[in-house]
Amino acid sequence: EAQVTQNPRYLITVTGKKLTVTCSQNMNHEYMSWYRQDPGLGLRQIYYSMNVEVTDKGDVPEGYKVSRKEKRNFPLILESPSPNQTSLYFCASSCPSGGFCNEQFFGPGTRLTVL
Amino acid sequence: DAKTTQPPSMDCAEGRAANLPCNHSTISGNEYVYWYRQIHSQGPQYIIHGLKNNETNEMASLIITEDRKSSTLILPHATLRDTAVYYCIVRPGTASKLTFGTGTRLQVTL
Repeated sequence: EAQVTQNPRYLITVTGKKLTVTCSQNMNHEYMSWYRQDPGLGLRQIYYSMNVEVTDKGDVPEGYKVSRKEKRNFPLILESPSPNQTSLYFCASSCPSGGFCNEQFFGPGTRLTVL
Repeated sequence: DAKTTQPPSMDCAEGRAANLPCNHSTISGNEYVYWYRQIHSQGPQYIIHGLKNNETNEMASLIITEDRKSSTLILPHATLRDTAVYYCIVRPGTASKLTFGTGTRLQVTL
């Protein structure tokens, strides 16, 4: 089944404790992206990647890091989480090799709470 | 990217057609209209997209006005499971990024 998976789905942590949220897709997509969703602010893009070893900042990149060492994986790293990073996070992928970038597939979301 | 305007909320009776409008008066010639929906706090789900012709798939129909300044997403027979926030997004065909607005919260009722 074509899908985007994220882990963990729920996470409660404390300020300053490094964490990684994993994202993996099995559709051979070139484009991957991370969004955060906050009440009243909608979904905002954090980082995106057009291909392996190619990443770029989205609209709200402060406090986050990403890497794209393999095509299928795009982990989101919070080196020193703070309470204002409490949010619902979504990973998405699109653009099959040689295909059109039409439909973007989203993961199920990771609900992060930073105390 | 062109900005879109959607009503914040709409109601629809189950079994009836749900017609969700979107205004995108500043759309450029190379920009497509995309619709996504988000059910509760799940990941957004792609519905349909179009450039200037009307489009239909198994989920919905997309009607784009001739001047392309507005469009309507039609769910022909709404069910309770269609209750969600619906997002209208315009973006160039070559771009990958989606810029989400606040969408329309559709409530389907018995």
